[in-house]
Amino acid sequence: SQQGEEDPQALSIQEGENATMNCSYKTSINNLQWYRQNSGRGLVHLILIRSNEREKHSGRLRVTLDTSKKSSSLLITASRAADTASYFCATARIQGAQKLAFGQGTRLTINP
Amino acid sequence: KAGVTQTPRYLIKTRGQQVTLSCSPISGHRSVSWYQQTPGQGLQFLFEYFSETQRNKGNFPGRFSGRQFSNSRSEMNVSTLELGDSALYLCASSLQGTGSYEQYFGPGTRLTVT
Repeated sequence: SQQGEEDPQALSIQEGENATMNCSYKTSINNLQWYRQNSGRGLVHLILIRSNEREKHSGRLRVTLDTSKKSSSLLITASRAADTASYFCATARIQGAQKLAFGQGTRLTINP
Repeated sequence: KAGVTQTPRYLIKTRGQQVTLSCSPISGHRSVSWYQQTPGQGLQFLFEYFSETQRNKGNFPGRFSGRQFSNSRSEMNVSTLELGDSALYLCASSLQGTGSYEQYFGPGTRLTVT
């Protein structure tokens, strides 16, 4: 299956600390995307990283991609209570149906 | 620009009924995708429409169908509802295609089947 798998499934840290979430996938990809979902709501796009990129930044977010290991990580620095949410990675294949396959997500809780 | 809108936000139906959900994409976006989210299966791709044509389809039974209109608005229909169809249905739009570009999600329609 192309579906990404996030690790850990749940993460609880103190406000101000850094949070790292990992994503592994199985097939060659065109790009990998990270999304955030607050409880029971729609997903918000965070970052898209293409297969020829190794690292991307957006504000307090840093995403890395290692295509040789078929893995990606999302780092949130200086976490805030508002970062509490579920985070999903989604992969888009190079060939075949162009659809995003989502992982099960990491539930991140930031404690004040 | 206005975001993706979905109607209705909440819906309660009984087994055997059918339901139609609506999605209005961001202006200028031609691709609309639908996803089903459940606690057990997570986020699963239903189908994608692009310029009124279904371009991609996930592994769902034929009871799940959709269409896209010339203004890019999309509807999905579920016939003969089953208890297992209870889920959050998310619609997402993107500029060109599901895989190549970031998707913008609507708030979802929470469907409960009793």
